Amino acid sequence: KNEVEQSPQNLTAQEGEFITINCSYSVGISALHWLQQHPGGGIVSLFMLSSGKKKHGRLIATINIQEKHSSLHITASHPRDSAVYICAVRSNTGNQFYFGTGTSLTVIP
Amino acid sequence: NAGVTQTPKFQVLKTGQSMTLQCAQDMNHEYMSWYRQDPGMGLRLIHYSVGAGITDQGEVPNGYNVSRSTTEDFPLRLLSAAPSQTSVYFCASSRWDGTYEQYFGPGTRLTVT
Repeated sequence: KNEVEQSPQNLTAQEGEFITINCSYSVGISALHWLQQHPGGGIVSLFMLSSGKKKHGRLIATINIQEKHSSLHITASHPRDSAVYICAVRSNTGNQFYFGTGTSLTVIP
Repeated sequence: NAGVTQTPKFQVLKTGQSMTLQCAQDMNHEYMSWYRQDPGMGLRLIHYSVGAGITDQGEVPNGYNVSRSTTEDFPLRLLSAAPSQTSVYFCASSRWDGTYEQYFGPGTRLTVT
């Protein structure tokens, strides 16, 4: 069973397009994280959410706790946004994190 | 700050060999964890620690041991390597004060032949 599901698995966009990546989860959570993994393999944290919405530059993350759903939006996408985006949740019943399989984004100039 | 460091970056082992993957952080984080990343699967938790002297199993602990004698270090030991342990291993750390933002090491690519 997958506690965290992401869609789409792969996404190709033209530079400048608005992009949405979705994450649904089935466990109770205390926080949800969006991570970015670059082609070289390094993983960085983009957002941590427990409610509402956060914005960093062209990236916006939202979460709906009742629907157990989060979205990551990228406005005015750029080739440097090409990466794998991973949704992760921290369970509220223990000390564990669960991860989605990631969305591979390619932005074409 | 160096952040989270992992060594080695690459390793090839023969079946049955043992080795230790090193992980260190200099941010005084309480929580440290080890994950493995396999194609088509999300990161999976192997073991974690919420402080020195405290460790616990994650989702896929079999074949791995950990210890946490200091806040800074969290080594992962493969007792008898198997081809199924071929993977990319990531160590991560975070504060344990409600923010839980995780900082990841650069990863270790392990191949077991």
